[in-house]
Parts: sequence; C-alpha cells; structure tokens
Amino acid sequence: GQQVMQIPQYQHVQEGEDFTTYCNSSTTLSNIQWYKQRPGGHPVFLIQLVKSGEVKKQKRLTFQFGEAKKNSSLHITATQTTDVGTYFCAVDFGNEKLTFGTGTRLTIIP
Amino acid sequence: GAVVSQHPSWVICKSGTSVKIECRSLDFQATTMFWYRQFPKQSLMLMATSNEGSKATYEQGVEKDKFLINHASLTLSTLTVTSAHPEDSSFYICSARAGSNYGYTFGSGTRLTVV
Repeated sequence: GQQVMQIPQYQHVQEGEDFTTYCNSSTTLSNIQWYKQRPGGHPVFLIQLVKSGEVKKQKRLTFQFGEAKKNSSLHITATQTTDVGTYFCAVDFGNEKLTFGTGTRLTIIP
Repeated sequence: GAVVSQHPSWVICKSGTSVKIECRSLDFQATTMFWYRQFPKQSLMLMATSNEGSKATYEQGVEKDKFLINHASLTLSTLTVTSAHPEDSSFYICSARAGSNYGYTFGSGTRLTVV
C-alpha cells in the first residue's frame, strides 16, 4: 500500500531548542495533515496543507508543504515542555482513509 | 465543535470474552467512522471503515468476524472485539470527520488489556 515515511523516529531536545520532523512520499500528495498525540492521549488535528509550497504558522509551529507535494515538515521554534508528544503526518490518498506516518516522538529535557 | 466521545477509556477482560467499544459523534453526524489500533510506541493502523446503515469495510489482514462493527445511527459506531486474546491487547481509537474542511476528530481511545 501507499506509505508515508517520517523522520526522525525520536528526537530529544533541550527546552528552548528548535525541533523539526519531516514526512516524505514517493508519490505526489493532494494533501497532508499533521496531528499531535500526547503520551497516553489521542491524536489531535493540527493542520491540513493542500497547496504546493504552502507554509502555515500556528504560534511557534511552522508547517510546510513541498513544491512537488511529496514532502512536508513541521518545525517548532523554542520548544517548551508542553510540546512533548508524538507528531504524526497523515495523508488521505483519495478514499477518505488516513494513512499515518510512523511518527516522531519528541521529548524535552528541562 | 466536532467532538467524538469514546467509551470505555480502558477495559480489562479475560481471554475468550467479548468487549464492546462505543464511539459517538456529539455535535455532528458521521456517516463514516474509522477504527484504528495502536500498539505501544507505534503508529496508528486503520482497521476498518464503519459506514452508517451498511457493512463495514475492513483493511487487509483484519478479521471481520473477530472485530465486529455496527454503525446503526449517524452518531454511533461500535466495535466489538470477540473472543479476545492477549494479543488483542492494544489501544483502539475511533475517528470521524465533520466535513471536508475539517481535520479528523479522534475519540479519547480505549486501552484494552486481555488477561
């Protein structure tokens, strides 16, 4: 089936440092979504990107969709302890079913 | 808006018994709901798509007779894990979408432990 690769698998950062996670696909994507799952919690929708080269910001979070629509990134500036969790990208390949990336688990060192 | 309520939050059952998990859309109608399973430190894997008024569609490798799905109304979908075994222990999560302009809303999940 169609897959979305996500790197890195884990990231440990000092509080205040930046963090980035990347998603890559071998096929052109019509859209990509990002979710955050806190430890023990459920995924929470963050954003959806649909346009080539699109950049969206939510406070300290910056989301990008590649020009070729095959990759996307989530960047967090100046991480805080509340940013702890696993960040997933997810793609709807046209059948309304979400295919999730492998996730990046972010831990913050205070 | 777009709240999905899932119950129970956690359940412990004995091997061989069945467990029912409910998922309700509280402020929107969901003709389609999705059921996922997540093992520790892994991603979410789609198990099945629940369709209101019709049969669910299952992903490859998911036993439809073991994971019974019922979507009898526009706001309620249930997943029943039948004859549960320890290997069925996992985190089960449902989701639905209020509309194409919305992201998917997830229930709070059910942590199933089979002993």
